[in-house]
Amino acid sequence: SQKIEQNSEALNIQEGKTATLTCNYTNYSPAYLQWYRQDPGRGPVFLLLIRENEKEKRKERLKVTFDTTLKQSLFHITASQPADSATYLCAGTGKLIFGQGTTLQVKP
Amino acid sequence: EAQVTQNPRYLITVTGKKLTVTCSQNMNHEYMSWYRQDPGLGLRQIYYSMNVEVTDKGDVPEGYKVSRKEKRNFPLILESPSPNQTSLYFCASSPRTAMEAFFGQGTRLTVV
Repeated sequence: SQKIEQNSEALNIQEGKTATLTCNYTNYSPAYLQWYRQDPGRGPVFLLLIRENEKEKRKERLKVTFDTTLKQSLFHITASQPADSATYLCAGTGKLIFGQGTTLQVKP
Repeated sequence: EAQVTQNPRYLITVTGKKLTVTCSQNMNHEYMSWYRQDPGLGLRQIYYSMNVEVTDKGDVPEGYKVSRKEKRNFPLILESPSPNQTSLYFCASSPRTAMEAFFGQGTRLTVV
């Protein structure tokens, strides 16, 4: 079946460093990948969308890549801040299926 | 204000007692979807709808029903809830599946 997989282990980094989160997809080829942020007890909030023919997309401190050869997307937060601490979800279209999410903790 | 509204936010019920969780969006979106979220399992899709009167199963549809009689509403029905349906539920909508999805506030359901 179609799958989106993220590293379920929490990522802990120091403030000011770059956080890099990984998303892999299997058994299908999504035309788009999306990234969302989720805070505890709240619904996910959309951050970025990248198309399969785009190698890279940026928005302020966020950068997303899409590698169709590796079947992978990388999500980067540069100059990370404690306020960036949250769970980040990757989703693939078609019918918008999500990975498990990776929890990021940025320590001051 | 553009939003997806779910009700109720919290619900405790007993096994076997039929319940409905409502979802309404005011953005004229075609695509709507229901997810459940459990610790360590992420968001799993229950049902989705591409448009009015068009619904299809997601990855975990067993024990759930949906309907899409009008564009703005997409209720989730549990005909005979069981304790394994205790979860946090989210409704989402978007103009198309490839576009940004907007999520409701979530419904925390406990079945005892």
